[in-house]
Amino acid sequence: GAVVSQHPSRVICKSGTSVKIECRSLDFQATTMFWYRQFPKKSLMLMATSNEGSKATYEQGVEKDKFLINHASLTLSTLTVTSAHPEDSSFYICSASQYLSSYNEQFFGPGTRLTVL
Amino acid sequence: RKEVEQDPGPFNVPEGATVAFNCTYSNSASQSFFWYRQDCRKEPKLLMSVYSSGNEDGRFTAQLNRASQYISLLIRDSKLSDSATYLCVVNRGTDKLIFGTGTRLQVFP
Repeated sequence: GAVVSQHPSRVICKSGTSVKIECRSLDFQATTMFWYRQFPKKSLMLMATSNEGSKATYEQGVEKDKFLINHASLTLSTLTVTSAHPEDSSFYICSASQYLSSYNEQFFGPGTRLTVL
Repeated sequence: RKEVEQDPGPFNVPEGATVAFNCTYSNSASQSFFWYRQDCRKEPKLLMSVYSSGNEDGRFTAQLNRASQYISLLIRDSKLSDSATYLCVVNRGTDKLIFGTGTRLQVFP
């Protein structure tokens, strides 16, 4: 299957700093990428849909000014957690959508574990 | 009420056992259905799509009942390596996937 990478895999930062997470589709072009957040023992929650060349679409309750998304190319989307606080500590996972024979399949990155002190 | 509901488990079963997971979804407009597997601290990986006619992949069988809005996954001859969280996932016809909270399976020797 298609490969999606994320960087960094783990980050620890101080409260108030900003953290950028990169999501790359390595062997295909993805016009759409998705950002999810997963708290311990909870489900993946979609944060936003990132479309190349346009503004991201955020899910209800997700602050767009806090979670900045940029989808600058067909293989790269970035999520910046601005002024991070301890409650932002979570597992952030991206996915990239690729159209297969009859449906769009999402391929997930390995995730980024963010810990805010 | 959550859009996709699953029993969180854990299901603790011995090797070789057959185990079944159930899932219900609330949005009748849901169009595509999947089971994903997620290992601890890892990303989810597609296990199989689910079709109304039912489908089988080796030891795994998935069923969809649209009338009851119910999805199932059956694992036969459980292996230690099957230990993971199994996520029921639906798609409403857009690109968005809606995840259940997952059912944790622990297979013991």
